[in-house]
Amino acid sequence: EVVLTQSPGTLSLSPGERATLSCRASQSVGSDLAWYQQKLGQAPRLLIYDASNRATGIPARFRGSGSGTDFTLIISTVEPEDFAVYYCQQHNNRPPIIFGQGTRLDIK
Amino acid sequence: QVQVVQSGAEVKKPGASVKVSCKTFGYSFTSYYIHWLRQAPGQGLEWMGLIIPNGGSTSYAQKFQGRVTMTSDTSTSTVYMELYSLRSEDTAVYYCARERRLRHFDYLFAFWGQGTPVTVSS
Repeated sequence: EVVLTQSPGTLSLSPGERATLSCRASQSVGSDLAWYQQKLGQAPRLLIYDASNRATGIPARFRGSGSGTDFTLIISTVEPEDFAVYYCQQHNNRPPIIFGQGTRLDIK
Repeated sequence: QVQVVQSGAEVKKPGASVKVSCKTFGYSFTSYYIHWLRQAPGQGLEWMGLIIPNGGSTSYAQKFQGRVTMTSDTSTSTVYMELYSLRSEDTAVYYCARERRLRHFDYLFAFWGQGTPVTVSS
């Protein structure tokens, strides 16, 4: 079973800065990697799928990259509404469906 | 537009069961698969299983096999998740989520319900 490890656990930034979040898989997942954003008290929101494709309505400041075992989510210029927890997820079309433990993006 | 609305919070005693509903609006109910996930307090996300609303075929995560049943009602565009033999570790927010693509097993959760808190306590 794949294990997804996200780093850092918490990232403290100011609005306007660049955020770089990492997700590492214990074995290759190809490009079957998604990213979700979850704000406090809300359901998650799909941001990125297939490692680099933005979901409908997601702003261009969110960019995903990577393949195999190493993936990155970059927020080019953090906006106030971007402070949340971010999860990666492998979606290789069969269970078990695995999520990372999350990275919290905090206001510095 | 697509909307997913879940039933309200539940409090149950250990050993009981809970049934959560997930009503959908704004798209062809039978054309998209529905997943159930949960999130324990302060924890990450856990996939529980999925249902194909047209016909009711299901696939459950191994952890929940024998303890969960997912059903669908096409007349009301609603799916249900029933979890049995509840224990304290089942305390969580339960979410339903619609698949991203029509008739595809992408395991991508594009539209989410608001979540249903379930508390298991004696």
